[in-house]
Amino acid sequence: EVQLLQSGAEVRKPGATVKISCKVSGYTFTDYYMHWLQQAPGKGLEFMGLVDPEDGQTFYAEKFQGRVTITADKSTDTAYMDLSSLRSEDTALYFCARVSTRGVGGAYDYWGQGTLVTVSS
Amino acid sequence: YELTQPPSVSVSPGQTASITCSGDKLGDKYVSWYQQKPGQSPVLVMYQDTKRPSGIPERFSGSNSGNTATLTISGTQAMDEADYYCQAWAGATGVFGAGTKVNVL
Repeated sequence: EVQLLQSGAEVRKPGATVKISCKVSGYTFTDYYMHWLQQAPGKGLEFMGLVDPEDGQTFYAEKFQGRVTITADKSTDTAYMDLSSLRSEDTALYFCARVSTRGVGGAYDYWGQGTLVTVSS
Repeated sequence: YELTQPPSVSVSPGQTASITCSGDKLGDKYVSWYQQKPGQSPVLVMYQDTKRPSGIPERFSGSNSGNTATLTISGTQAMDEADYYCQAWAGATGVFGAGTKVNVL
């Protein structure tokens, strides 16, 4: 059974950094891209970036470029997302999600349970 | 790249709900649809325009042509009340519509 298990809720002060983990099981970690998405309270889903666990290559959305770092640890089958210089607008649920294929026509077929990050002074 | 969805759709139990998603030449791209219930992670209900993942009921169907993709729920049930998001790719970026709240009244 494919599972993506994210770390627990976090509270940070403005300007701080948060690191969220996403440990996978039930499939070969390096066979699929891992994406991270943000969902602000009452809002929709927004792509933040992705990592190729096979070689560590990353791609980030322009909105988060410079503040987000996504990594993958093949030894523990875990992806990480760091978000720095936190501000109140970063208060949101963060999801890791697997993309179903490296080819054309992929979809987010498995999702983590979400990690709530609250930014408050 | 932008995808546009109606904010809400209302449907009576047993009737058909149609959720649209519009984007420039969207028919040239593959579209996926996700269902999200309050407090839960999104669930993939349609991919590559018309394909249902294992475990998704047959009452869910999809189409995509021109500038509009549509998710159709036939014989809508109370359990289908949720937010639905369409998604397509702009390069490596997953682009989502703002979501449609399906109200089963």
